[in-house]
Order: sequence, then structure tokens, then C-alpha cells
Amino acid sequence: KAGVTQTPRYLIKTRGQQVTLSCSPISGHRSVSWYQQTPGQGLQFLFEYFSETQRNKGNFPGRFSGRQFSNSRSEMNVSTLELGDSALYLCASSLDGAMNTEAFFGQGTRLTVV
Amino acid sequence: AQSVAQPEDQVNVAEGNPLTVKCTYSVSGNPYLFWYVQYPNRGLQFLLKYITGDNLVKGSYGFEAEFNKSQTSFHLKKPSALVSDSALYFCAVRDTLTGGGNKLTFGTGTQLKVEL
Repeated sequence: KAGVTQTPRYLIKTRGQQVTLSCSPISGHRSVSWYQQTPGQGLQFLFEYFSETQRNKGNFPGRFSGRQFSNSRSEMNVSTLELGDSALYLCASSLDGAMNTEAFFGQGTRLTVV
Repeated sequence: AQSVAQPEDQVNVAEGNPLTVKCTYSVSGNPYLFWYVQYPNRGLQFLLKYITGDNLVKGSYGFEAEFNKSQTSFHLKKPSALVSDSALYFCAVRDTLTGGGNKLTFGTGTQLKVEL
């Protein structure tokens, strides 16, 4: 069974640009969550999508948005990039909406804003 | 709001010795607790979880964790450490009372270094 696939693996963008990251969850998984990982702030929850609906949102500005498609694939968009958005962005998929199921993570997208 | 504390930034242990990585949590309801491991430039790998039942949970690669409700702790353990266990370990929690779907709240991570 294929794991969680994130594309691209690496990105370099300029301040002010926007970027879209993609995540394909494990086949059959309906929940996709996004996290930002930085040395200073650690792992922070961005948002979760379940059955194409945003179910939960972290404390990030509106420049960060996401969506989920009918095949459960998810995209995350960051507009008007800032230097502080440089981070490893991790996607996690879970089988369903139950809180007792573990999340499986992709390898992440390393975003560098210059 | 839920929170997780990993009091040690780094733990050093000799290969073959037992290891412990500490984690304490704070939640409003009952916790669902998880341990993940991260190798350099990789995502997080699931090790084990505590949902309910036996306080000693066994997971992947010989790791286990002990849930202690009175001390609000969920320490990760392994009887005999390997050099290949060297990595960054994260404890995470979901609060069953506040809901929040599949949102995980992570600790700051503990770097485990196993030396020959």
C-alpha cells in the first residue's frame, strides 16, 4: 500500500509569491491534516479536511488555505509569502474521523522563501 | 487547551542500555496519546498509541510506552537501545473532551543519541 505522497519535495519561492503544495493520502483515508514544522515553533497544526470539508483550523493567518477533493487528495496554498513561511510542511492522513486512529505522515515539502 | 511537554531536548544513551524519553500532557478530558519518530529530512513515523486499556503499550521496533494517569505522563521506553534508534522523537495528544477532530498537539521533540 502506497504511503502519503507529498509534492513537490522542495520549493524555493520569492517573498510575495504564492505557492501550492499537494498531498495524496493513503488509499481509503478520508482525513487529511497539514502541519508546519520550524526549528523555532516546532510542529504546528494548520488545518484538517474530512470528506472535502474543513473540520478544524489552527492559528494561522488567512494567507494559509487549503482544500480537499472528492478523491481525498488535498492542496495547501500560501499567498503573499513571507520569509517566516520557510518551513517543512507535513501532510498526514487518517482513515476516518475517529480520534483514536493514528495519522500517517508524508515526507514533507521543504519550502524556502528568499 | 491541550498541551504536551517533553522536558529533555536531548537524551544520550549507550547502545545496549535501556532508554527512556519523557512526556507529560495536559488535557481537559481523556487523552489519546501518540509517539512518533522523525529521521533527518523525513516525515514522522508512527510508533505507538494509547487509547484505553492496558497502561503499557507496545509499538514498532521494540518500543513501548507507559501511560500513567495520576502523573499525566506517557514515557517512551526501550529495553536495549540501538545506534539506529538515534532520531528525533515526538509525543502528541488529542483531547477527547474538546474534540478537534484529528488535530494532534505535539511536544517540542527530544533528540535521542545512541552511542557505541
